[in-house]
Amino acid sequence: RKEVEQDPGPFNVPEGATVAFNCTYSNSASQSFFWYRQDCRKEPKLLMSVYSSGNEDGRFTAQLNRASQYISLLIRDSKLSDSATYLCVVTTPGSARQLTFGSGTQLTVLP
Amino acid sequence: ETGVTQSPTHLIKTRGQQVTLRCSSQSGHNTVSWYQQALGQGPQFIFQYYREEENGRGNFPPRFSGLQFPNYSSELNVNALELDDSALYLCASSTGTALNTEAFFGQGTRLTVV
Repeated sequence: RKEVEQDPGPFNVPEGATVAFNCTYSNSASQSFFWYRQDCRKEPKLLMSVYSSGNEDGRFTAQLNRASQYISLLIRDSKLSDSATYLCVVTTPGSARQLTFGSGTQLTVLP
Repeated sequence: ETGVTQSPTHLIKTRGQQVTLRCSSQSGHNTVSWYQQALGQGPQFIFQYYREEENGRGNFPPRFSGLQFPNYSSELNVNALELDDSALYLCASSTGTALNTEAFFGQGTRLTVV
């Protein structure tokens, strides 16, 4: 079983749609949680951190459920520029700040 | 621009050869991590260097080795290249190793092994 699992998609949605991505993680000791965005053939970039209380950044809302080991990302009013792969990322305690990535969910926003 | 630069951007090598990839960390960052991203997959942690010492390693064989220099730049060396080593190699720099410290990625080196 992978440490971080995501629905690979692809998700093809029209502009203006609301889309939700889900992610589960297997290590209950995981401590920090993030969503990264990766454009085609580019490096991953931090989209937002995820907190237990839930957090919002403009059109993006992230939620964490530690009991279910579940992370979500909601994108409202999708824009063409949101087209990318969204990577769910967790860190676990240890000597290294190792980021453990899911395989990513591909989103295409259609005009 | 993250301030993390990697070289070269693209590379083609033959199976069995050796390769060295380079990473210059963002100014003020003393920690560099290396990741391998195969096509269609998320990045996989190779190892991390903190103040010139290896500070953790993922599930990669010993033919993957690294180095960090006093200016905190880093190298990733891969010996005896295999076809499956073809991937995007990413380095990420950060200040320290705290779990909530943001890591900034370079643009990556795309390695093709033929």
